[in-house]
Amino acid sequence: QKEVEQDPGPLSVPEGAIVSLNCTYSNSAFQYFMWYRQYSRKGPDLLMYTYSSGNKEDGRFTAQVDKSSKYISLFIRDSQPSDSATYLCAMGLVGNNRKLIWGLGTSLAVNP
Amino acid sequence: DVKVTQSSRYLVKRTGEKVFLECVQDMDHENMFWYRQDPGLGLRLIYFSYDVKMKEKGDIPEGYSVSREKKERFSLILESASTNQTSMYLCASSSPQSLLDFGPGTRLTVT
Repeated sequence: QKEVEQDPGPLSVPEGAIVSLNCTYSNSAFQYFMWYRQYSRKGPDLLMYTYSSGNKEDGRFTAQVDKSSKYISLFIRDSQPSDSATYLCAMGLVGNNRKLIWGLGTSLAVNP
Repeated sequence: DVKVTQSSRYLVKRTGEKVFLECVQDMDHENMFWYRQDPGLGLRLIYFSYDVKMKEKGDIPEGYSVSREKKERFSLILESASTNQTSMYLCASSSPQSLLDFGPGTRLTVT
């Protein structure tokens, strides 16, 4: 069983749609969870992170963690063409970022 | 707002060449990382450094070495480039408690 599973997509949605991106993981010890956004041929940029179960909101983006189900989600409201990118989930233990576990990334296209 | 820079965006090298990829960060971070990213395989850690002259092997160190002579600079060396090292190489840095900041990446092609 892989430590983290992320559907690679591609996901194609119309502008304005609500997008849901998800990862499941197997190690219940993970303490923090991140979403990185990677535009084509660029390095990943940190989009959101959270240390606890529940929701964290930042503008049009909401990160959700359900530790009991070992499931994390990123929701994008009112999606824009500029949101077209690959979204990577990652998770790890506090103070040990040498051991981060990465999802393969989901490719998202938002069509005008 | 420069944070992590990599010496080249695109690089083409021949099989057997010695290749140097340079990474510089301006955030005074202790930790620096070299990853490679391939379709279907995701991000894989090659080497990690937690201090000057200190390094740890990552998940796929074979065929690579690293050098960290100064805190801000972390170099990845391909001793004898091979075609299976064609990839996107990503450098990142962090403090021990912070999240990773990535550079723009170097797309290396070995022919």
